[in-house]
Amino acid sequence: NAGVTQTPKFRILKIGQSMTLQCTQDMNHNYMYWYRQDPGMGLKLIYYSVGAGITDKGEVPNGYNVSRSTTEDFPLRLELAAPSQTSVYFCASRKGDSNQPQHFGDGTRLSIL
Amino acid sequence: QQPVQSPQAVILREGEDAVINCSSSKALYSVHWYRQKHGEAPVFLMILLKGGEQKGHEKISASFNEKKQQSSLYLTASQLSYSGTYFCGTEKGAGNQFYFGTGTSLTVIP
Repeated sequence: NAGVTQTPKFRILKIGQSMTLQCTQDMNHNYMYWYRQDPGMGLKLIYYSVGAGITDKGEVPNGYNVSRSTTEDFPLRLELAAPSQTSVYFCASRKGDSNQPQHFGDGTRLSIL
Repeated sequence: QQPVQSPQAVILREGEDAVINCSSSKALYSVHWYRQKHGEAPVFLMILLKGGEQKGHEKISASFNEKKQQSSLYLTASQLSYSGTYFCGTEKGAGNQFYFGTGTSLTVIP
């Protein structure tokens, strides 16, 4: 199994550009999450989803959008990129039970210049 | 609502023990523990549920005090491979927001 796959692994954007970070999982997990991690800091929840068609905001949703049309995919959209969005973005998935761990992708390292 | 971890950083010699604490201001349903090495994704260690017992595997164990909304991670006889940043994660229930703690950097030296 591939687990959680994120693409791209690295990207440099100019201020004002837009892009979509892709995340797909092949474990049939209901729950999916997007986090950002700034250098030397912890993980902050951006958006999460408990199933196809259902999404909700996390701690830091401003400047981002998500959609969940299938169980497998949970793309994160950045509109009008700003330098403050320079970060490492992690996608995670999990079965829909509290006793289940989150499985993380390898991350996307994004720089906004 | 981010859980607060203590200490922020700790340096150990191989074979020494360490305790990492995680405190929340909100009532918790579960506490997760993850370890992250530099440049890598977090890796799951264990989950403790409300009403659950202390859990552990090998030389790493954890406890969850529901009344105090605190969890502690115990690392016994540390190994070089234990180095990394440890994060707790909390939620009020399945399907709710998930909050990672402030992190604890642990360095094990020979």
